[in-house]
Amino acid sequence: AQSVTQLGSHVSVSEGALVLLRCNYSSSVPPYLFWYVQYPNQGLQLLLKYTSAATLVKGINGFEAEFKKSETSFHLTKPSAHMSDAAEYFCAVNTGAQKLVFGQGTRLTINP
Amino acid sequence: SAVISQKPSRDICQRGTSLTIQCQVDSQVTMMFWYRQQPGQSLTLIATANQGSEATYESGFVIDKFPISRPNLTFSTLTVSNMSPEDSSIYLCSVDDGTVINYGYTFGSGTRLTVV
Repeated sequence: AQSVTQLGSHVSVSEGALVLLRCNYSSSVPPYLFWYVQYPNQGLQLLLKYTSAATLVKGINGFEAEFKKSETSFHLTKPSAHMSDAAEYFCAVNTGAQKLVFGQGTRLTINP
Repeated sequence: SAVISQKPSRDICQRGTSLTIQCQVDSQVTMMFWYRQQPGQSLTLIATANQGSEATYESGFVIDKFPISRPNLTFSTLTVSNMSPEDSSIYLCSVDDGTVINYGYTFGSGTRLTVV
């Protein structure tokens, strides 16, 4: 069965600092991996996805993630945090069953 | 990618009543999904709805509590029946419009339900 683990339910960084949100997956077949962002009182917006093309994936708002098969990881990074990045971030995996399995979510707080 | 309109955006309901949530898509899609997001929690899949067939429910969710309709390829409803305060959650619909590789799964803006 596929699963996703996000390390750290809450991450706090200073404005301008590196953002690193961790995601590890478990899958017996090559996965599709996604990062979604949820701003307060809103639905989910796709940040980026990995679908077996390039292992380094660039998304919206300056975010990127690297798929590392050997580490079963898909960590999300951004070189310089902005106040507007404060939100809940979800990692999700799909292995062709046409449904997503989500991680527990990481709340990102940006300190001025 | 598909655009989803979900209604209502929020509601406050009395316990014991039922609420029907609507999800309208601007294009025909094969699969629609209903998720629940309890306060401070992640998203949990309730069921998958295909047009012309019974919805497929995930473990822990039953049709009597969460009946789903899928009358055509652009519309679905989820009913939360006989509500209790434990049903207070955000309910989201999602679709696979066949462009997952390009666009991922698209989500509605959610229905924030409070049961009092």
